[in-house]
Amino acid sequence: NAGVTQTPKFRVLKTGQSMTLLCAQDMNHEYMYWYRQDPGMGLRLIHYSVGEGTTAKGEVPDGYNVSRLKKQNFLLGLESAAPSQTSVYFCASSYWGQTYEQYFGPGTRLTVT
Amino acid sequence: ELKVEQNPLFLSMQEGKNYTIYCNYSTTSDRLYWYRQDPGKSLESLFVLLSNGAVKQEGRLMASLDTKARLSTLHITAAVHDLSATYFCAVDSFISNFGNEKLTFGTGTRLTIIP
Repeated sequence: NAGVTQTPKFRVLKTGQSMTLLCAQDMNHEYMYWYRQDPGMGLRLIHYSVGEGTTAKGEVPDGYNVSRLKKQNFLLGLESAAPSQTSVYFCASSYWGQTYEQYFGPGTRLTVT
Repeated sequence: ELKVEQNPLFLSMQEGKNYTIYCNYSTTSDRLYWYRQDPGKSLESLFVLLSNGAVKQEGRLMASLDTKARLSTLHITAAVHDLSATYFCAVDSFISNFGNEKLTFGTGTRLTIIP
C-alpha cells in the first residue's frame, strides 16, 4: 500500500496564478483533510471531507477550494495564489472508527512569489 | 474554541538524560495523539491515547493522558540522538455539523539531543 500520496512535492507560483494539489489514499478511508504548516504555528486545518461528494471548511479556508469526486482523492485548489499562501501543505486521511487516527502524506512545499 | 498548548517549544538535552514534554488543552476531550516530525518530512503517528489514565510506551518514549487535568505528557527516558525531532500533540474535538471529529494540533516541541 502506498498510503497517502501527494502531487506535486514542490511548486513555485507567481502571485495570481492558480494550481491544484492532489491527494490520493489507498486505505479506503472515509475522511480526508488538508492542512497547512507554517513555522511556529503547528498544523492548521484548511478543509476536510467526511465522504465522497462532501466537503467543509476548517480553520483557515479563505483562498482555497476543495473537491472530493472520488473517495480516494481529495483536491485542494488555489484560484489566485498570494504570497501568504506560501507554506507546506499536508493531506491526511482517517477511517471511521474508534480512534480517528490520521495518516499523513509527504507534503507539498509551495512558494508564491 | 479548543486550544492546545505545548511546552517547552524548544528543548535541547544531552544524551542519557530524561525529560518530559507537556501538552495542555482547553476543552473536554477523551482522545489525544502524539506525532513525530523529522525535518522536511511528514508526520508519523507515535501514540493514540483513548481514555483517562491511558499510558502507552514505545522504546524510550512514554505517553500518558489525564483528561480531568486536560494534560498529556510525553516522557523521554535516557535520550539518544535518534529522538531528535519535532513532537506534536493533537486533541480530538467534534465538528458539530457533521458529527465528525477533527484534530487540533499544538505548535510542536523541537527536541534536540546533544551527543
